Amino acid sequence: GEDVEQSLFLSVREGDSSVINCTYTDSSSTYLYWYKQEPGAGLQLLTYIFSNMDMKQDQRLTVLLNKKDKHLSLRIADTQTGDSAIYFCAEKSGGSYIPTFGRGTSLIVHP
Amino acid sequence: EAGVAQSPRYKIIEKRQSVAFWCNPISGHATLYWYQQILGQGPKLLIQFQNNGVVDDSQLPKDRFSAERLKGVDSTLKIQPAKLEDSAVYLCASSYRGDTEAFFGQGTRLTVV
Repeated sequence: GEDVEQSLFLSVREGDSSVINCTYTDSSSTYLYWYKQEPGAGLQLLTYIFSNMDMKQDQRLTVLLNKKDKHLSLRIADTQTGDSAIYFCAEKSGGSYIPTFGRGTSLIVHP
Repeated sequence: EAGVAQSPRYKIIEKRQSVAFWCNPISGHATLYWYQQILGQGPKLLIQFQNNGVVDDSQLPKDRFSAERLKGVDSTLKIQPAKLEDSAVYLCASSYRGDTEAFFGQGTRLTVV
């Protein structure tokens, strides 16, 4: 199976919270990332979390990490139409400089 | 600060033709990456350079793909000959060091027909 798994689509109403989930398999992962990709654009690093943390908050973004279950989530509060994009989960283990990406979750925000 | 520049933005070629992509990383960034992103998938690393040396090219199909970074700045990625399954977006990224944040260019969308 995939090393990093995400659901492919999420649809939310503007103003609601969005929660994008990710699971990974490498127990030696040290960094976990969320990237955003808008149409026709490259990847933008949104936030990251060290594996020894449970939670990280940055304005409207909250990252939760359950290391035991190897589950990572990204919560976007007060989702706006400008948040519509593909969100990639990625993990990197201590022995590698190269993150492994999931297939991406397409977030669709409708009025 | 200028970002990672890539050209061309789009390219359409016939199978068995050759194609080259160019990347100019952020000034001062020693590490440069080429990723392949097939539609509906996450990016897959093809090759990583540290200055002008190759760090990892284990996922580069070397029978048809080649990449170079001769002066440790700009890089080119070449495909010769192209196959239909090479249709993808080719992303270039750079970072100050290999363990710091990578910044991505907008990518080159290749369509092989």
